[in-house]
Amino acid sequence: KNEVEQSPQNLTAQEGEFITINCSYSVGISALHWLQQHPGGGIVSLFMLSSGKKKHGRLIATINIQEKHSSLHITASHPRDSAVYICAVRSYSGAGSYQLTFGKGTKLSVIP
Amino acid sequence: GAVVSQHPSWVICKSGTSVKIECRSLDFQATTMFWYRQFPKQSLMLMATSNEGSKATYEQGVEKDKFLINHASLTLSTLTVTSAHPEDSSFYICSGGVGFYEQYFGPGTRLTVT
Repeated sequence: KNEVEQSPQNLTAQEGEFITINCSYSVGISALHWLQQHPGGGIVSLFMLSSGKKKHGRLIATINIQEKHSSLHITASHPRDSAVYICAVRSYSGAGSYQLTFGKGTKLSVIP
Repeated sequence: GAVVSQHPSWVICKSGTSVKIECRSLDFQATTMFWYRQFPKQSLMLMATSNEGSKATYEQGVEKDKFLINHASLTLSTLTVTSAHPEDSSFYICSGGVGFYEQYFGPGTRLTVT
């Protein structure tokens, strides 16, 4: 079973700050997802990556397969970025099946 | 693109009744659909995986007779919570998958059983 650890659990930042959220996992994976969950509960898929780096607007996601580690960066943070950010990893679970294991999430609050 | 919708977004039902939640992939065909449950301040937990036209595969500890999943087409899956009890109150989220890697999440359905 893949263990997924996120840090920090909670993060408060001033508007404009550069933010980093980390995700570590224990078993080799085929892909990693970064998700954003708003206070109402809805989930938005931000990134899906299996190597290297992806950028979308002010969001950047990186992954280091050898170190089993991924980071999500937010540049020029804004109060509307306040949400829970969840890391989820896809790994092979045997018999041709894959499973998605979720981290507990990082609650980000950006203060104006 | 790759939008998944859920209906209803919020439902209250009385204990003992059944509730159906719909999950639709609006602009793609989801070969696989996943149903998750999330209790307050906890991670999403996979309940079951379904492939179009075949029976769902349930995770350990999830009662298949209580949580009925139907994946009748490549764009629609339904989860029916039968004989709901207050402990079934939770946030239910579906996602539609395309192949092994791509998975798109719905906005979720908040179920409250009174």
